[in-house]
Amino acid sequence: LAKTTQPISMDSYEGQEVNITCSHNNIATNDYITWYQQFPSQGPRFIIQGYKTKVTNEVASLFIPADRKSSTLSLPRVSLSDTAVYYCLVGDMDTGRRALTFGSGTRLQVQP
Amino acid sequence: ETGVTQSPTHLIKTRGQQVTLRCSSQSGHNTVSWYQQALGQGPQFIFQYYREEENGRGNFPPRFSGLQFPNYSSELNVNALELDDSALYLCASRREGTDTQYFGPGTRLTVL
Repeated sequence: LAKTTQPISMDSYEGQEVNITCSHNNIATNDYITWYQQFPSQGPRFIIQGYKTKVTNEVASLFIPADRKSSTLSLPRVSLSDTAVYYCLVGDMDTGRRALTFGSGTRLQVQP
Repeated sequence: ETGVTQSPTHLIKTRGQQVTLRCSSQSGHNTVSWYQQALGQGPQFIFQYYREEENGRGNFPPRFSGLQFPNYSSELNVNALELDDSALYLCASRREGTDTQYFGPGTRLTVL
């Protein structure tokens, strides 16, 4: 299973763009990259998923370079409610070997 | 919001007791995984069930066991509870062929 490395914490202010980078040097060919958000005492919430280049949805963008050894989650114009822990995960779609490996995540603190 | 529910929300047990936690997934989500999340850490994979059979397991002892039922519900059973079993227990389900897992809100287990 590919291991991921993220910054332990980040600080930002309301209205700013936040970019969280995740390293996954051992990513396999079939692996997708998925980001989750988690608030205290709640289950992780799916944010975005991608395989290569750029993916955008209504809440975030995910940038993946050609070598796929890293990825960057971009949160535009954060608000106080974006204060949470963000997890980057990589894994393949093979049902038989499925297991999400969570690291310690990045704790984002958004200040007013 | 995710269509995954867990019960109970909170639970207090004493060391040596047994506990059963329950999860109800979305219709069509035939894969369910269970995670243990200690305070301040990322979720740790316990095991996964696919079509009512265990097909993946993390580094957890046999006293952690599970069941998955045809109606997309599942159980996590823990025997001989230890103090270190105190944690947030999360279940996550996904549809076959997809890589996106949807998490429930979790059950907070406290072992005294």
